[in-house]
Amino acid sequence: DIQMTQSPASLSASLEEIVTITCQASQDIGNWLSWYQQKPGKSPQLLIYGATSLADGVPSRFSGSRSGTQYSLKISRLQVEDIGIYYCLQAYSAPYTFGAGTKLELK
Amino acid sequence: EVQLVESGGGLVQPGGSLKLSCVASGFTFRDYWMNWVRQAPGKTMEWIGDIKPDGSNTNYAPSVKNRFTISRDNAKSILYLQMSNMRSDYTATYYCARGGITPFDYWGQGVMVTVSS
Repeated sequence: DIQMTQSPASLSASLEEIVTITCQASQDIGNWLSWYQQKPGKSPQLLIYGATSLADGVPSRFSGSRSGTQYSLKISRLQVEDIGIYYCLQAYSAPYTFGAGTKLELK
Repeated sequence: EVQLVESGGGLVQPGGSLKLSCVASGFTFRDYWMNWVRQAPGKTMEWIGDIKPDGSNTNYAPSVKNRFTISRDNAKSILYLQMSNMRSDYTATYYCARGGITPFDYWGQGVMVTVSS
């Protein structure tokens, strides 16, 4: 199985700050990497797919990048509504696997 | 508007069975792979399995193989998850999610399943 190592586990940041979350894949997954935001009691919402493509309706302050088997989600200017838990997902090879999550809080 | 609505959750005893449904609307259901994903309380998500658009092929996570069965009714746009011989660690919120070129792009609201005596 492909392991997705996500970091950090938690993050405290100020409004307007730049935030970066990373996922390291245990093997090549190409661009089959997605990022999700989840708020309490809600289902995950797609932010980024194909490692770098912004999902419909997602603010442009969110962006994704890839360097080899390391993937990053960047929030350029943190807003209040960005608070939640973020997950990465590899859909390259079954069983598809998620990162452990990053809890993003306001400082 | 794409919508996925799960139902069928509840309390089940260890060793028991339960069948979840996911009603799809707003897209051509028969054209898409569909997935089931679960999330135990306070934990990350775990992919359970998926099913091909025509229902001819399914894939499962090792943790649920031979216990869970995914099926679909394309005429009714419904995805199913039959769970049997359930264990307490199957307690989770279960989601259906659409597959395809942009996998897991839409998710249902989730349904809670509690396995307890």
